[in-house]
Amino acid sequence: EPEVTQTPSHQVTQMGQEVILRCVPISNHLYFYWYRQILGQKVEFLVSFYNNEISEKSEIFDDQFSVERPDGSNFTLKIRSTKLEDSAMYFCASTADNEQFFGPGTRLTVL
Amino acid sequence: GENVEQHPSTLSVQEGDSAVIKCTYSDSASNYFPWYKQELGKRPQLIIDIRSNVGEKKDQRIAVTLNKTAKHFSLHITETQPEDSAVYFCAATSNNNAGNMLTFGGGTRLMVKP
Repeated sequence: EPEVTQTPSHQVTQMGQEVILRCVPISNHLYFYWYRQILGQKVEFLVSFYNNEISEKSEIFDDQFSVERPDGSNFTLKIRSTKLEDSAMYFCASTADNEQFFGPGTRLTVL
Repeated sequence: GENVEQHPSTLSVQEGDSAVIKCTYSDSASNYFPWYKQELGKRPQLIIDIRSNVGEKKDQRIAVTLNKTAKHFSLHITETQPEDSAVYFCAATSNNNAGNMLTFGGGTRLMVKP
């Protein structure tokens, strides 16, 4: 069964550094999402992406964040200047209709 | 925007008992309600979902009910087993097209004691 994949599984970075989290959505899916989950808390929506542009974004998704689909398979989340509070698990998801399939997540630790 | 509340935050049951988790939502336009199971350190996995045109859906030991008038929906797990132990999240979206975001509840940590 096809799955959403994400790399890296764990990223450790210094405050102020840029990070890029990578996702490969399921190949026939058209809608892509990034969510984050701070340890022990609920999953929070960041951004949705369709037809090569952002379709929705939350208040969390400020100017420090950007998304890109650089080629036909990858979907990336960039955090330009990381803050301590960006430490969380970041999940990518994709869907063809209603059901959103989640990737395994990238644990981002900002020191 | 949508707001989803989930109760209880923790639930402990004996193996074989039933477990019920309840969620309320605020946006009357929401029409798709999935439930996700998340084991420790793993991705959320969809276990069941319901759309607003039905009131109940069942899949083996798992069922979901929806009351659109009251804006609440519930997950029912019967004959619980230790492997049901996980965090369960409800979610809601106004999925008139496929691209809308999910708003999650706060999660319920279910512990099934053998």
